[in-house]
Amino acid sequence: DAKTTQPTSMDCAEGRAANLPCNHSTISGNEYVYWYRQIHSQGPQYIIHGLKNNETNEMASLIITEDRKSSTLILPHATLRDTAVYYCIVRGFNTNAGKSTFGDGTTLTVKP
Amino acid sequence: EAQVTQNPRYLITVTGKKLTVTCSQNMNHEYMSWYRQDPGLGLRQIYYSMNVEVTDKGDVPEGYKVSRKEKRNFPLILESPSPNQTSLYFCASARRRGEKLFFGSGTQLSVL
Repeated sequence: DAKTTQPTSMDCAEGRAANLPCNHSTISGNEYVYWYRQIHSQGPQYIIHGLKNNETNEMASLIITEDRKSSTLILPHATLRDTAVYYCIVRGFNTNAGKSTFGDGTTLTVKP
Repeated sequence: EAQVTQNPRYLITVTGKKLTVTCSQNMNHEYMSWYRQDPGLGLRQIYYSMNVEVTDKGDVPEGYKVSRKEKRNFPLILESPSPNQTSLYFCASARRRGEKLFFGSGTQLSVL
């Protein structure tokens, strides 16, 4: 799976949009971008994923650049409960798809 | 309710005493995986399984064993635990390799 790079930490004001970037410049054509978040020491929770089109669900939106080398997770109206570590990973269906590497993620702190 | 169940939630043991952490999923998922999480190191994959009787090493397999005799269960075995295996462990499953992961609640292991 392609390696991803994320900022170590970000702050966001409550009620504002949180935009979390991720670089995945070595992504291959059949690999998806997945986002998860981890609150305290709980198990990571799936947020959203996409291949090349922008995606939206009840939790967030995912914007993937046209060249697919980077993406942005958008939490449209951040709340204090969105304070967590956010992981961006790339996963595909190729023969090596069993491995999945989580980097250090971005620690998002939502402030009142 | 669809879930990944790990047991125990907390475990304190002594060096060299064999232990097993159980993981079970009720979603008929083909893919299962174990991770460990240490402060500042994100999630590192220990072992994964593409399907019954198919297991493979992740990034940090040393000192661990796994088995996948049934689709729903994927136990993690520490034959001779050492203090450097003190960590937070997560089990995860996915319908197929490359698809979104569902995580358990974690097992905090302390080896004295």
